[in-house]
Amino acid sequence: QVQLQESGPGLVKPSETLSLTCTVSGGSISSYYWSWIRQPAGKGLEWIGRIYTSGSTNYNPSLKSRVTMSVDTSKNQFSLKLSSVTAADTAVYYCARDHHLADISGYDYNWFDPWGQGTLVTVSS
Amino acid sequence: DIQMTQSPSSLSASVGDRVTITCRASQSISSYLNWYQQKPGKAPKLLIYAASSLQSGVPSRFSGSGSGTDFTLTISSLQPEDFATYYCQQSYSTPDFGPGTKVDIK
Repeated sequence: QVQLQESGPGLVKPSETLSLTCTVSGGSISSYYWSWIRQPAGKGLEWIGRIYTSGSTNYNPSLKSRVTMSVDTSKNQFSLKLSSVTAADTAVYYCARDHHLADISGYDYNWFDPWGQGTLVTVSS
Repeated sequence: DIQMTQSPSSLSASVGDRVTITCRASQSISSYLNWYQQKPGKAPKLLIYAASSLQSGVPSRFSGSGSGTDFTLTISSLQPEDFATYYCQQSYSTPDFGPGTKVDIK
């Protein structure tokens, strides 16, 4: 079955850019949406944004000005960049497949499954 | 923005108990509501999508119901492996999660 694995630096300095990659195995990345979600220690989950394999993106308005996502279908990978990080960006970052099911009302049901194991990114000098 | 709340924030229960967790949205979200289970140090796991559809492989003791603004996750007979934190998530607008409900051992 499909498995996801996050990778990237575990420590980023304040004001710099956080960069993470999610590698998808056991299936093709094509024709799916893929999302990033984060969770500060002891706190709840925050959706960061999603990318379709065409490259189209949708970001959380609260982070939109700092987020860039990209996809490399040849490597079965997608990536996250978060700029101008502060200590508030310290969190476990998860990647997940983002399922969409069209509804006759024009909205999409969407849910996240499966998830990667998560990677802790600490912002500190 | 749609605000998601969950109640209770935590509960203590025994193996075999019936457990009900409530999720409320600040406006109607139809049935665009999912439930996840998270154990310490692990990624969340999808249990229920579209308010009441059981994800493949998830035990049938888990069930979801509701529409509009009020939703429930029910565990019919709590098992030792069910002690975890449960999150609801709305997909009506920008995806957002509830604050979580921690289920621990009584």
